[in-house]
Amino acid sequence: GAVVSQHPSRVICKSGTSVKIECRSLDFQATTMFWYRQFPKKSLMLMATSNEGSKATYEQGVEKDKFLINHASLTLSTLTVTSAHPEDSSFYICSARDLYEKLFFGSGTQLSVL
Amino acid sequence: QQPVQSPQAVILREGEDAVINCSSSKALYSVHWYRQKHGEAPVFLMILLKGGEQKGHEKISASFNEKKQQSSLYLTASQLSYSGTYFCGTENPGSSNTGKLIFGQGTTLQVKP
Repeated sequence: GAVVSQHPSRVICKSGTSVKIECRSLDFQATTMFWYRQFPKKSLMLMATSNEGSKATYEQGVEKDKFLINHASLTLSTLTVTSAHPEDSSFYICSARDLYEKLFFGSGTQLSVL
Repeated sequence: QQPVQSPQAVILREGEDAVINCSSSKALYSVHWYRQKHGEAPVFLMILLKGGEQKGHEKISASFNEKKQQSSLYLTASQLSYSGTYFCGTENPGSSNTGKLIFGQGTTLQVKP
């Protein structure tokens, strides 16, 4: 199956700093990628749809200025958590869809904000 | 709107069967099933695109009833490796062909020896 690489897998940062998470589709081009957030033992909550070459589409309630998304190429999308606070601590997962409409997930990033 | 999964949790003995249901209050374009193990990303199981479609993958199969706006995942002769949390992800006609999925709350499956 298709491979989606996500880095870093784990990051610890101080409150007030910014953190960038990368999501790459390794063996296919993805014009659209998705960013999800997951709290412990909870479901995956869609945060935004990342569109190559255009602005991301955010879900209701997700702060655009807090979670900056950039989809600069057909294989790379980045999520930057700006001015992180402890409540931003969570598991963030990206996904990308292949030509057969299957959605593949990255390995996830566990963010801990101290 | 988030689809509803049932049951929330199930405990099985190895070799037993289980059914996980996923219902939506909205019309569905497709249903995707994933399994997630603790601390890992969800892993794709299967996708159902047409009403009435059924698919199988080894001892895991699924059905999709478009009229009832629901899908079921069938796990037969469960193995220890089946343990994890199962999510259904639904795609509505309005967002069809975009890959935008809304996930259910998950069903935790535990298979014991």
